[in-house]
Amino acid sequence: GAVVSQHPSRVICKSGTSVKIECRSLDFQATTMFWYRQFPKQSLMLMATSNEGSKATYEQGVEKDKFLINHASLTLSTLTVTSAHPEDSSFYICSAPDRNNQPQHFGDGTRLSIL
Amino acid sequence: AQSVSQHNHHVILSEAASLELGCNYSYGGTVNLFWYVQYPGQHLQLLLKYFSGDPLVKGIKGFEAEFIKSKFSFNLRKPSVQWSDTAEYFCAVSPHNTDKLIFGTGTRLQVFP
Repeated sequence: GAVVSQHPSRVICKSGTSVKIECRSLDFQATTMFWYRQFPKQSLMLMATSNEGSKATYEQGVEKDKFLINHASLTLSTLTVTSAHPEDSSFYICSAPDRNNQPQHFGDGTRLSIL
Repeated sequence: AQSVSQHNHHVILSEAASLELGCNYSYGGTVNLFWYVQYPGQHLQLLLKYFSGDPLVKGIKGFEAEFIKSKFSFNLRKPSVQWSDTAEYFCAVSPHNTDKLIFGTGTRLQVFP
């Protein structure tokens, strides 16, 4: 079935570092992908909608300059956490809808830890 | 604003017990409804979905959910749980004609043998 691959699965880095997370749809094309953030014992919060070939749409309260999203192809979206700080430590998850199958397919997530 | 409420944060059951997890949503228009499951160490997987038609939907692994429009609810049920059902369960809503998902806070289910 359709699979979404997310890389890396775990990142540990120093404060001030920029971190890029990739989300790939492996056997289907995704004009839209979604990025979520999940805090411990909390729900997934939608951060932004990644649109292929155009600007991402950010949810209220999400800093566009902090969380840069690029959707350069129909199978790849990237989320860059710029100048990351400890408060950015979280679990980041991407998803993509499969037009043939409708529901979202989720990546395995990236656990980001900023020291 | 759109929101999804899951009232049970942590449920502990013995095997063979019946399960019902509550989900209520707040949205004025037509919605699509989902239940996702996240097994330990794994990604979110779709359990079942409701778009239209019969409000009682059946999903994988013996799960079912009933959409009650008047109550804005979409409760998840299973007649007899198994130890392997131990997981986190998320209810989600998607406004009609969008792919955007709004998740509930999740319910952690623990099933003991």
